[in-house]
Amino acid sequence: ETGVTQSPTHLIKTRGQQVTLRCSSQSGHNTVSWYQQALGQGPQFIFQYYREEENGRGNFPPRFSGLQFPNYSSELNVNALELDDSALYLCASSSDRVYGYTFGSGTRLTVV
Amino acid sequence: QQQVKQSPQSLIVQKGGISIINCAYENTAFDYFPWYQQFPGKGPALLIAIRPDVSEKKEGRFTISFNKSAKQFSLHIMDSQPGDSATYFCAASKNSGYALNFGKGTSLLVTP
Repeated sequence: ETGVTQSPTHLIKTRGQQVTLRCSSQSGHNTVSWYQQALGQGPQFIFQYYREEENGRGNFPPRFSGLQFPNYSSELNVNALELDDSALYLCASSSDRVYGYTFGSGTRLTVV
Repeated sequence: QQQVKQSPQSLIVQKGGISIINCAYENTAFDYFPWYQQFPGKGPALLIAIRPDVSEKKEGRFTISFNKSAKQFSLHIMDSQPGDSATYFCAASKNSGYALNFGKGTSLLVTP
């Protein structure tokens, strides 16, 4: 049973809208990363937060932003949605200086 | 560009056979090489991981072989079972707890 919970599980949005996806990490996991997984592809790194500060970012535009909160929850915000943003968005967490991420089951976002 | 290349894209193995999935990387700064298993509708789950100071790691029926000079690593699933049917991703990262670079995945089907 994964200790990372994501909500909602599915979401349909219209092009141009904004969306917020949420993640609740395991207690003590102060590193959280977000990934985008297009259909039939491997996950692509969006960004990572460590102790509430962004400390790494992949090749995604600034309209992808995030926050991490002291209670081990985090969120991914995407503005000005585009059709290509349709994907499974995965949250993954790990504890300080320990290899190995635990992934949530993801949020399936469909942009129409 | 794809920093980790994975092959084959799909694989069909009979029950009891050996499944072999290969990955190659370019960035010599990578120091952590995990394999993830993903079932439909679920997030990736860590299967086994290796660091470049060892050439092989075995956990149950799963073995990682690592060739540092060739910059290649592979996953061997011994005595493959129908329950192993899933998509497998190799990944690589540099520094503890940093971004994972995933391969494109291998869809494994184990036939009865």
